[in-house]
Amino acid sequence: NAGVTQTPKFRVLKTGQSMTLLCAQDMNHEYMYWYRQDPGMGLRLIHYSVGEGTTAKGEVPDGYNVSRLKKQNFLLGLESAAPSQTSVYFCASSYGGLAKNIQYFGAGTRLSVL
Amino acid sequence: AQSVAQPEDQVNVAEGNPLTVKCTYSVSGNPYLFWYVQYPNRGLQFLLKYITGDNLVKGSYGFEAEFNKSQTSFHLKKPSALVSDSALYFCAVRDRSDSWGKLQFGAGTQVVVTP
Repeated sequence: NAGVTQTPKFRVLKTGQSMTLLCAQDMNHEYMYWYRQDPGMGLRLIHYSVGEGTTAKGEVPDGYNVSRLKKQNFLLGLESAAPSQTSVYFCASSYGGLAKNIQYFGAGTRLSVL
Repeated sequence: AQSVAQPEDQVNVAEGNPLTVKCTYSVSGNPYLFWYVQYPNRGLQFLLKYITGDNLVKGSYGFEAEFNKSQTSFHLKKPSALVSDSALYFCAVRDRSDSWGKLQFGAGTQVVVTP
């Protein structure tokens, strides 16, 4: 069972470079989320999607863009990386209805911006 | 606005002793409450949730949590801790009026269980 798969697992960028993080889920979930995890701050929501072709801003969206062209994929883009974006990024997905309350997480992408 | 507080950065407990991880929350309406666990270099795993009904919720791996509306708390408990319970634990809350399933996470509590 693959569940939620994130690629890459690790990445080092220089300031100003761009990159895309890929999240793929094989559970036919409608909802998908991108979080960043920083020490002492828990997980903070960057962007989320409630269906194919729809996205919305979360708590900390600045400097990030997202796309959900296919139901199973949710992409997180950094157009011009900054050291403040050094973090661990997690993708999550969930069903609709009451069951949507349970979010299933990927293993994370550790990003360093120098 | 909703918020979650986990007042302890770290909890140390000896194997076999009871384990408690504290969580208090603030939401404008009625809450959905969750506990997740994160093992090193892994994503978060769902442990248990409170939606409605019995205030004592039982979850995975022998964990349970008690919802206390008057104290706005949702403490995680395990009667007898194992070394393998050492991990980072997150409490999360969702306002029932939120249609999009967004969760607000606490900062996390590191649990260290010593043999």
